[in-house]
Amino acid sequence: DVKVTQSSRYLVKRTGEKVFLECVQDMDHENMFWYRQDPGLGLRLIYFSYDVKMKEKGDIPEGYSVSREKKERFSLILESASTNQTSMYLCASYSGTFAYEQYFGPGTRLTVT
Amino acid sequence: AQTVTQSQPEMSVQEAETVTLSCTYDTSESDYYLFWYKQPPSRQMILVIRQEAYKQQNATENRFSVNFQKAAKSFSLKISDSQLGDAAMYFCAYRRGLNFGNEKLTFGTGTRLTIIP
Repeated sequence: DVKVTQSSRYLVKRTGEKVFLECVQDMDHENMFWYRQDPGLGLRLIYFSYDVKMKEKGDIPEGYSVSREKKERFSLILESASTNQTSMYLCASYSGTFAYEQYFGPGTRLTVT
Repeated sequence: AQTVTQSQPEMSVQEAETVTLSCTYDTSESDYYLFWYKQPPSRQMILVIRQEAYKQQNATENRFSVNFQKAAKSFSLKISDSQLGDAAMYFCAYRRGLNFGNEKLTFGTGTRLTIIP
């Protein structure tokens, strides 16, 4: 079974803090994604990566950055957290070969106070 | 740009009955895939069913089936014999075909399905 894990299920941070969300997948997938999920807005893509050290902006990259130093790990960074970044963050991955299904992590509920 | 629209924010159905969730999409491509994902209250999103645009036959997975109307750009999900475990958020998603290489998914806003015992 493919496993996508995220470093925290729940996280509370203060405004202005630097926040790291980590995602690890164990199936050697080339492609990894970070989404933000908000009620009524569905899933919106923040950043994605097709390979190590490669990254591309998604639909809402402002206020976020990412890092992919190893194939299995994709980190989302909030440089200076703000209250409007309070949300559920979902990581996903898929193989370029079997590009039918994205596998999702359990999500991180981030609250910025 | 591709868009996916789910016009039903919430739906409910009696246990053992059938329910249909709606999804429409907009694209200028002819080669693409459509998906329904399920997100139970535990939050782990899982794939329910997928449809390749080039296939005329509607996809089926046990109690889940789709009604794919390519000309109308409609992709509805039918759940038969609804069970309590079907309660979840359901997301419709789109991606361009494999010829486009690595592609992102575009998601709809979701439909929350409640099962009434």
